Amino acid sequence: DVKVTQSSRYLVKRTGEKVFLECVQDMDHENMFWYRQDPGLGLRLIYFSYDVKMKEKGDIPEGYSVSREKKERFSLILESASTNQTSMYLCASSSTLLTGWDTEAFFGQGTRLTVV
Amino acid sequence: DQQVKQNSPSLSVQEGRISILNCDYTNSMFDYFLWYKKYPAEGPTFLISISSIKDKNEDGRFTVFLNKSAKHLSLHIVPSQPGDSAVYFCAASEDGGSQGNLIFGKGTKLSVKP
Repeated sequence: DVKVTQSSRYLVKRTGEKVFLECVQDMDHENMFWYRQDPGLGLRLIYFSYDVKMKEKGDIPEGYSVSREKKERFSLILESASTNQTSMYLCASSSTLLTGWDTEAFFGQGTRLTVV
Repeated sequence: DQQVKQNSPSLSVQEGRISILNCDYTNSMFDYFLWYKKYPAEGPTFLISISSIKDKNEDGRFTVFLNKSAKHLSLHIVPSQPGDSAVYFCAASEDGGSQGNLIFGKGTKLSVKP
């Protein structure tokens, strides 16, 4: 079974704090993603990585950075947390296949972050 | 501009009846489509997918239909069960999903009433 594990289910942080959200996958997937989910806005891509040390901005990268030092681990960093970053954060991973079909992304259980 | 649109934020259906969830897309380069199901406080889980070379894919109670000319896909759940109550996300990608980058719609909350 594919497993994508996020380090925390719930986090409460103060405004201005540096926040690290960790994600680990055990399927040797090349691609990893960070999304945030907000009511009425669906899932929005923050950053993704298709290889170690590689990263690409998604739709809403402002206020975030990422780190991919090892293939299995993808970290999301909030440099200086703000209240508008209160959200559900979802990590996902997927494999890059030659044909591409049946390449679904597998999600972690999510981290509910509250910034006060 | 949204590339994947789910115009119904919510849908309520009676148990045993059909649920039809709709999704429209604007990017003609999309060639791979997926549906995910999400329960509260959990990550989305993959439900069913379809590639653009097909117009229908079936898996048990779940069938996805793709109309490329209309840039429209739909998910049919027959018969609907209370355990199907969740938020359903439509997602799309280019290059058969080989880059793994999925574009999601905003989701439709399905409520199946006993």
